Amino acid sequence: GENVEQHPSTLSVQEGDSAVIKCTYSDSASNYFPWYKQELGKGPQLIIDIRSNVGEKKDQRIAVTLNKTAKHFSLHITETQPEDSAVYFCAASNGGANSKLTFGKGITLSVRP
Amino acid sequence: DAGITQSPRHKVTETGTPVTLRCHQTENHRYMYWYRQDPGHGLRLIHYSYGVKDTDKGEVSDGYSVSRSKTEDFLLTLESATSSQTSVYFCAISDTGADTEAFFGQGTRLTVV
Repeated sequence: GENVEQHPSTLSVQEGDSAVIKCTYSDSASNYFPWYKQELGKGPQLIIDIRSNVGEKKDQRIAVTLNKTAKHFSLHITETQPEDSAVYFCAASNGGANSKLTFGKGITLSVRP
Repeated sequence: DAGITQSPRHKVTETGTPVTLRCHQTENHRYMYWYRQDPGHGLRLIHYSYGVKDTDKGEVSDGYSVSRSKTEDFLLTLESATSSQTSVYFCAISDTGADTEAFFGQGTRLTVV
């Protein structure tokens, strides 16, 4: 089955700096890669996703890049703000019938004011 | 927020007792999922459903069973709770499967003593 690894497990940045979170996956058939943000006491929420036919996707301060050859994808957050502090999960799916979404272990991002 | 309600939100139970967690949705989504979240493990899939009475196992299904008799309800049962099942449980729904956005509930914190 799919194995998604996420490194590092914690990341601390200064407000205004950029943050990059990387994930690797094992199944070359995976074609859907979402990123979820989880705030304290809440369920995860999708912030951005990318499909395998696209190399990069942006949404305001957030971007995701995908390298299919190396089987890794990254979340980029620019101009970080304290409200970006949360746990971020990457995930992967092959999108087949009744496929499953496999999550990484999550990274805790802290943005220092 | 997507219409997902998990109940109860908190529960303390004794080892060996049966426990049922409920997930109720008002979105008419076909797919429903149960995950558990533990420190150092991220989100792990327990069971999922791809339609009424159609369910399948996830990666950590031992000790758990599920039922879906109506589109809107997905029940997770711990047949005989153990301390290793102390966790935060999340229900999620999606419209067309693992290659589309999943909407998560607020979670149920279960403590087995």
